[in-house]
Amino acid sequence: GAVVSQHPSWVICKSGTSVKIECRSLDFQATTMFWYRQFPKQSLMLMATSNEGSKATYEQGVEKDKFLINHASLTLSTLTVTSAHPEDSSFYICSATELYGYTFGSGTRLTVV
Amino acid sequence: KNQVEQSPQSLIILEGKNCTLQCNYTVSPFSNLRWYKQDTGRGPVSLTIMTFSENTKSNGRYTATLDADTKQSSLHITASQLSDSASYICVVSLTGGFKTIFGAGTRLFVKA
Repeated sequence: GAVVSQHPSWVICKSGTSVKIECRSLDFQATTMFWYRQFPKQSLMLMATSNEGSKATYEQGVEKDKFLINHASLTLSTLTVTSAHPEDSSFYICSATELYGYTFGSGTRLTVV
Repeated sequence: KNQVEQSPQSLIILEGKNCTLQCNYTVSPFSNLRWYKQDTGRGPVSLTIMTFSENTKSNGRYTATLDADTKQSSLHITASQLSDSASYICVVSLTGGFKTIFGAGTRLFVKA
């Protein structure tokens, strides 16, 4: 079946630094990928839709200058959290659409100290 | 307003018992409904996907039902195992694009 690989699975960074998270579709091409954020015991919240070769579409309330998304190829989308702050600490998950629906990455636990 | 509501919010059952999780939606135009299992600290994994014309779909011990008329779906877990402890998320997609609505999930705890 379709596999989406997300890296890293966890990261700890200092406040003010930037962190890049990668999302790769391993055995299929994904023109569209999605980035979500999930706080403890809450459901996934869509942050943005990443489109290959064009600008990402951000959900209301999500700062596009803080959460930079790049989808330069059909198999790779990246999310960069810029100038991270402790309140950015969360679980970030990507997904890609394929024939049978959405396949999710394994998630990245970001902790900003 | 497009909404997906899941119940119960959480559930504790004994190992070996069956359970049923509910998902009610007010999404239109409806495309498909999927159930995902999300282990703590992991990404969701697809269990079943059903379109408008399908009313039941099984995946091992997981059986999902869909009533498109009443806009209700259920996920039945048979002979629960400790590894079934997870959050189960109902996701409904609209036609005409990638718009999806996530339910808040049901947290299932299976105890020995």
